[in-house]
Amino acid sequence: KAGVTQTPRYLIKTRGQQVTLSCSPISGHRSVSWYQQTPGQGLQFLFEYFSETQRNKGNFPGRFSGRQFSNSRSEMNVSTLELGDSALYLCASSLRDRGIGELFFGEGSRLTVL
Amino acid sequence: GQQVMQIPQYQHVQEGEDFTTYCNSSTTLSNIQWYKQRPGGHPVFLIQLVKSGEVKKQKRLTFQFGEAKKNSSLHITATQTTDVGTYFCAGISGTYKYIFGTGTRLKVLA
Repeated sequence: KAGVTQTPRYLIKTRGQQVTLSCSPISGHRSVSWYQQTPGQGLQFLFEYFSETQRNKGNFPGRFSGRQFSNSRSEMNVSTLELGDSALYLCASSLRDRGIGELFFGEGSRLTVL
Repeated sequence: GQQVMQIPQYQHVQEGEDFTTYCNSSTTLSNIQWYKQRPGGHPVFLIQLVKSGEVKKQKRLTFQFGEAKKNSSLHITATQTTDVGTYFCAGISGTYKYIFGTGTRLKVLA
């Protein structure tokens, strides 16, 4: 069974640009959540989607957005990139929603903003 | 907002010594999960605790959930070099958000 797939794995952008990251969950998982991981802040929750609906949102500015498609694949977008957006972005899928399912994480997309 | 604090931030132990990390939430949790992230890897689920006062064991790992469902601990007996990594707790709130602790980075010296 394939795991959670995130693309691209690495990318470099400059300030002001925008970026789109993709996440393909484990087959059958309808819940997809996104996290930002930085050395100083740990894992910060961005948002969670279930059946194409955003269920929860973390405390991030509106530059961070996401969506989920009918096949459960998800994308997140960051517009007007800032240096502080450099981080590892992790996607996780879960078979069960409502916080009772274990999260299966992808390898992450490492974003560097110059 | 809701916070989950985890201590210590770092821990270096000699192989064979025990290790404990503690997780404290500012609010009552619905349940709590623990994850392990190896260096350069992604977090991997270890266990979920749901009931007040619950204790679960996985070989050398012992997990506890506090009576008030606001704190939890992970204890590793006789650490091995394979235990190296960062251990995160994730508290699940009433709104079903996963709030991750800051993590405890464990180094095991052979």
